[in-house]
Amino acid sequence: DAKTTQPPSMDCAEGRAANLPCNHSTISGNEYVYWYRQIHSQGPQYIIHGLKNNETNEMASLIITEDRKSSTLILPHATLRDTAVYYCIVRTSYDKVIFGPGTSLSVIP
Amino acid sequence: DTGVSQDPRHKITKRGQNVTFRCDPISEHNRLYWYRQTLGQGPEFLTYFQNEAQLEKSRLLSDRFSAERPKGSFSTLEIQRTEQGDSAMYLCASSLPGELSPLHFGNGTRLTVT
Repeated sequence: DAKTTQPPSMDCAEGRAANLPCNHSTISGNEYVYWYRQIHSQGPQYIIHGLKNNETNEMASLIITEDRKSSTLILPHATLRDTAVYYCIVRTSYDKVIFGPGTSLSVIP
Repeated sequence: DTGVSQDPRHKITKRGQNVTFRCDPISEHNRLYWYRQTLGQGPEFLTYFQNEAQLEKSRLLSDRFSAERPKGSFSTLEIQRTEQGDSAMYLCASSLPGELSPLHFGNGTRLTVT
């Protein structure tokens, strides 16, 4: 079963930052937080992952709370092409990836 | 990097027929995964390979399902005696063997059983 909780849907205005929350209150010390997204009719796409430090790449930023029980994925300037389902996943380095239902993000013009 | 390739993209079959899907992973990736996704749900894990060895199978993978990766390169997923409940998107992913390697997904094969 998925070890995370996400809101089922969110809206964001185009050009604004999209902040997608994820709760993982039972995360253990060797588990990483991964984010994937899935645009309609495509396979999931890896975005970013982290253990306890905040991470940033060309797609997004990942903010993990100090107690590691929650995290936020930030898309700094959302575009219409960011409309997708976003999956937050907790796993160890050796686990298979287990997806929950994710958050459906709609970027509105 | 040509990405993960899946064939066919769409398959319509009648109940009771057998179907086979193919997945070509990224060339240097030695792990290969199969997932199934139904409308409105996240992908569900089915099975995965490291090279040619099938290391784990989900209990979702009934005895009508079989997956192979004979030479550690491409993989096939066969469903025998298809049922309407098998209608779904079948996704393949591959990854490097490293601890933190992310999965790279293909765009899936959509199966419709009539």
